[in-house]
Amino acid sequence: KNEVEQSPQNLTAQEGEFITINCSYSVGISALHWLQQHPGGGIVSLFMLSSGKKKHGRLIATINIQEKHSSLHITASHPRDSAVYICAVGSNYQLIWGAGTKLIIKP
Amino acid sequence: DTGVSQNPRHKITKRGQNVTFRCDPISEHNRLYWYRQTLGQGPEFLTYFQNEAQLEKSRLLSDRFSAERPKGSFSTLEIQRTEQGDSAMYLCASSLDSRGYTFGSGTRLTVV
Repeated sequence: KNEVEQSPQNLTAQEGEFITINCSYSVGISALHWLQQHPGGGIVSLFMLSSGKKKHGRLIATINIQEKHSSLHITASHPRDSAVYICAVGSNYQLIWGAGTKLIIKP
Repeated sequence: DTGVSQNPRHKITKRGQNVTFRCDPISEHNRLYWYRQTLGQGPEFLTYFQNEAQLEKSRLLSDRFSAERPKGSFSTLEIQRTEQGDSAMYLCASSLDSRGYTFGSGTRLTVV
């Protein structure tokens, strides 16, 4: 069993839909990261969470430390949100990565 | 400060040649990380520096790989005698302790 599990692996939705990507982890962590990667592009850090909820524009990230679970939500999704979204948990000096969720938003 | 900068963005090299990549982290960040990402896979940890000290190296980092951070600022990753299996995106990230994790855009290496 992977230490960081993401679901779904792939998600296709229509523009405007509310998107949820889930992440569960099994290790002790200092923080959880949500990252975005466009095809052929570098990685952009969206959120770093250790508790509660954070919001940035149309993106919302939540974490439940007791349940070892986090969600990334996108409201009013747009084709430019199409990317791979990666959950990574910080343990000591390195990040343990989920496999990523490939999101496609159709116009 | 414009974030973590990596150079070059792309490198094509012939098998057997040596290559060197550079990473300039955010200036106040004391930690610097190198990751490697192959097509369709998540990033794999390679090595980590706390200031100028290299504190951890992955077993993925063979003897052909060496990384330095001589003054605790920029870092270089050198691959000697490149092999086709070294073709990947090499990502650098920096943080202040475990906060403010920031990635560079990566260096894409193609070994032909």
